[in-house]
Amino acid sequence: AQTVTQSQPEMSVQEAETVTLSCTYDTSENNYYLFWYKQPPSRQMILVIRQEAYKQQNATENRFSVNFQKAAKSFSLKISDSQLGDTAMYFCAFMMPITGTASKLTFGTGTRLQVTL
Amino acid sequence: GAVVSQHPSWVICKSGTSVKIECRSLDFQATTMFWYRQFPKQSLMLMATSNEGSKATYEQGVEKDKFLINHASLTLSTLTVTSAHPEDSSFYICSARDRDNYGYTFGSGTRLTVV
Repeated sequence: AQTVTQSQPEMSVQEAETVTLSCTYDTSENNYYLFWYKQPPSRQMILVIRQEAYKQQNATENRFSVNFQKAAKSFSLKISDSQLGDTAMYFCAFMMPITGTASKLTFGTGTRLQVTL
Repeated sequence: GAVVSQHPSWVICKSGTSVKIECRSLDFQATTMFWYRQFPKQSLMLMATSNEGSKATYEQGVEKDKFLINHASLTLSTLTVTSAHPEDSSFYICSARDRDNYGYTFGSGTRLTVV
């Protein structure tokens, strides 16, 4: 079974600074997807970024980028120019695609990020 | 983009009663939906996978007779908490795979309080 580990329960960053959230996972599979989801105080889960394991290039979405190290099974999220609206719980998630069906997500325990003035 | 509507957003019920939570995919067909439970400051715990037209698949430790799931159409899945007890109080979230297979879209969640 796949596991996802987020070793930082809480982090804090000042507005406009950069912060990196760590995530490691364990799998014996070669083809899979990794996600970062954001859950603000409203508790709505929002997709931040996705990475396909077969792609060597790290995914980026505006101020959000990942450092995907497949051999090390590491998938960290970097948030640049942090904004107050980035304050949220961030979950790393793993998904192994299964042909013909929708595969379930395995979530990490989350990192609570606080952006301060 | 893909939208999943979940309601009610919050509900208070008395012990022993049943509560139904609905999850609708508004602009796409969702053959599979997922139901999660989330305790305060914790991660999402998958309860069951709901498949249209067939029985749901429950995760280990989840009581299928207490948490009834129905997925009668490609756009609607329901979770019914039967004979609710205070320990069932929690935040319940549904999700479905996006039609473009980019990721998973989540409902806004339902906060259930059993008194």
